Amino acid sequence: GQNIDQPTEMTATEGAIVQINCTYQTSGFNGLFWYQQHAGEAPTFLSYNVLDGLEEKGRFSSFLSRSKGYSYLLLKELQMKDSASYLCAVTDSNYQLIWGAGTKLIIKP
Amino acid sequence: SAVISQKPSRDICQRGTSLTIQCQVDSQVTMMFWYRQQPGQSLTLIATANQGSEATYESGFVIDKFPISRPNLTFSTLTVSNMSPEDSSIYLCSVQQGRGDTGELFFGEGSRLTVL
Repeated sequence: GQNIDQPTEMTATEGAIVQINCTYQTSGFNGLFWYQQHAGEAPTFLSYNVLDGLEEKGRFSSFLSRSKGYSYLLLKELQMKDSASYLCAVTDSNYQLIWGAGTKLIIKP
Repeated sequence: SAVISQKPSRDICQRGTSLTIQCQVDSQVTMMFWYRQQPGQSLTLIATANQGSEATYESGFVIDKFPISRPNLTFSTLTVSNMSPEDSSIYLCSVQQGRGDTGELFFGEGSRLTVL
């Protein structure tokens, strides 16, 4: 079966750095997405990785290792507004999008 | 990026009734996707709606329960029929743009349904 694993919840301090991991087992791979979803709102796109390595976009970076079936989202200089759920999603060989259950990130002052 | 408007944003419904959710996109798109997100859970794809053809439903979802219309390239509706409390959820419309089959998704604001 196809599976996306990510921690259910994480807590971090304002100004710090946090890494949210995602591991996947899918039938083929055509890219990995990270989405941010604030409570009561729709998900919004953060990043897309299809090749191994690190993609940096401001305070957010996303890393992919296809051989390990692993990705992480790195958030730097955390702000209170970063409190949200972070969803990992993988496109499989049929271009179906497989969603993780999301990681709820709680930022404390 | 696509701008998607969904309505209603929320509703409280009685068991056994049906509700239609509307989704309007500000640009023409080939495929529109309908997702369900139950409390505390991730997204589950209900169906893919293509203009001019029947929607394609995912396992566990059937047309009689979730009829979909797609009359043109900018609009779609999802009906939740004969509702029960288990249908209480957020329903999201989305479209894909860029990168062919691997483009990012843009979502509507969601429709939060509570079934009593």
